[in-house]
Amino acid sequence: QQQVKQSPQSLIVQKGGIPIINCAYENTAFDYFPWYQQFPGKGPALLIAIRPDVSEKKEGRFTISFNKSAKQFSLHIMDSQPGDSATYFCAASDNTDKLIFGTGTRLQVFP
Amino acid sequence: GAGVSQSPSNKVTEKGKDVELRCDPISGHTALYWYRQSLGQGLEFLIYFQGNSAPDKSGLPSDRFSAERTGGSVSTLTIQRTQQEDSAVYLCASSLGPGGTQHFGDGTRLSIL
Repeated sequence: QQQVKQSPQSLIVQKGGIPIINCAYENTAFDYFPWYQQFPGKGPALLIAIRPDVSEKKEGRFTISFNKSAKQFSLHIMDSQPGDSATYFCAASDNTDKLIFGTGTRLQVFP
Repeated sequence: GAGVSQSPSNKVTEKGKDVELRCDPISGHTALYWYRQSLGQGLEFLIYFQGNSAPDKSGLPSDRFSAERTGGSVSTLTIQRTQQEDSAVYLCASSLGPGGTQHFGDGTRLSIL
C-alpha cells in the first residue's frame, strides 16, 4: 500500500519531443505528489509538485497531470532539451511527512 | 550554508567497521530526513527528525542503524558493523517544517568492501 510504481524505467527522445513519465499509487491517504530531478552525483531537486485538489499543474515546460479516481499522476516535459537529460523520480506523501519514491526514470534527450 | 551539506562525500570501509555520516541542514530548517538510494532504486526513507526528536524511525533497516540530531541542527547517521548490503548513497534532506519542500544534499556514497 505504501508503494509508488513508476514507468518507464528509461526513456529516449529527440530534442523537442514530449517525454511522459507515469506513476501510480494505492494509498488514498497520500495528499502531496512531488517530482524530483536528479543529475549524476547530485541530490534530487524538486521540480514541481501537486496536491489532489487540482487535476493539472504547469510550471514552465513541466506539467503534472493528476487523476485522483485512477490514482495515477504523470509528468510531461514540453519541448525537451538535452539539458533535461537526468533521472526523474515521482514521490508521494501523506500527513506523516516522509516521501515514498518511485524507482526513477532515466531520461535521455538527444540533439 | 546555502544548501544541505553532507560529509564525507565518499566513504570506503571494510565490512564490520562502524561509519558515521554527517548532515548539516539549511539554517533554520527544523525538519530533517535521511534516505538511502541503492543502485538503480528509488530513495528509501530511513528516519525523520523534527527538532531533536525522531517521531518516525520506521525506515531504519536494522538495529545496526541509528541517528541523532543535536541543537536542532547537525545530524549524524551511524551504521555499526557494516555489511556489504549497506553500500548505497545516503541522502539527507531538510525542510522549514513538517510538510515543507524537502531540499536534498548531494549524499554520501558508502562502499563496503
